[in-house]
Amino acid sequence: EADIYQTPRYLVIGTGKKITLECSQTMGHDKMYWYQQDPGMELHLIHYSYGVNSTEKGDLSSESTVSRIRTEHFPLTLESARPSHTSQYLCASSATSGASYEQYFGPGTRLTVT
Amino acid sequence: KNQVEQSPQSLIILEGKNCTLQCNYTVSPFSNLRWYKQDTGRGPVSLTIMTFSENTKSNGRYTATLDADTKQSSLHITASQLSDSASYICVVSDRGSTLGRLYFGRGTQLTVWP
Repeated sequence: EADIYQTPRYLVIGTGKKITLECSQTMGHDKMYWYQQDPGMELHLIHYSYGVNSTEKGDLSSESTVSRIRTEHFPLTLESARPSHTSQYLCASSATSGASYEQYFGPGTRLTVT
Repeated sequence: KNQVEQSPQSLIILEGKNCTLQCNYTVSPFSNLRWYKQDTGRGPVSLTIMTFSENTKSNGRYTATLDADTKQSSLHITASQLSDSASYICVVSDRGSTLGRLYFGRGTQLTVWP
């Protein structure tokens, strides 16, 4: 079992609310990722980070923002949630070295915006 | 465009039976191929990872094969159990980026009936 945690696991909020999805890992990994996954669809990378103070946008455009102030913490924020943001959000991390770049996933946050 | 295609989309088998899931990819340059198991509402968990030089790898009742020439992989599950019910995702990593970018298939939804 990977030591990567996400909170909350489930969240139902109204349109226009600001939310922050938390992700923490205790493995000391430099690289962290946020993915978005809709039911029956593939995971899409929305944000990633190489390390502290490093953040980049992924393949899928997202209105969310991320920050990386500490190695173990990689929160994702939506300033004004909309129904189109309803999805599952998965956080992952990987070590910097090693050709396999094995990524370990958290349990996910299921977000519903009403 | 790098793609990962999986078949079948869904599969129902009886407990104790064997099954094989397929994955075709066009990702280039190829680095490695992974199979993940994703239980409903959870994050993906790695089952196997294979590099270019490996053509088979086992993890308990799971055996993955890789044909890098035809860009095909399969995941064989032996003596299925109810707990095998999950989505099985094929993921291919390219060698062209330091990020170790992952390309995800949509998964095969396996249901094991008693």
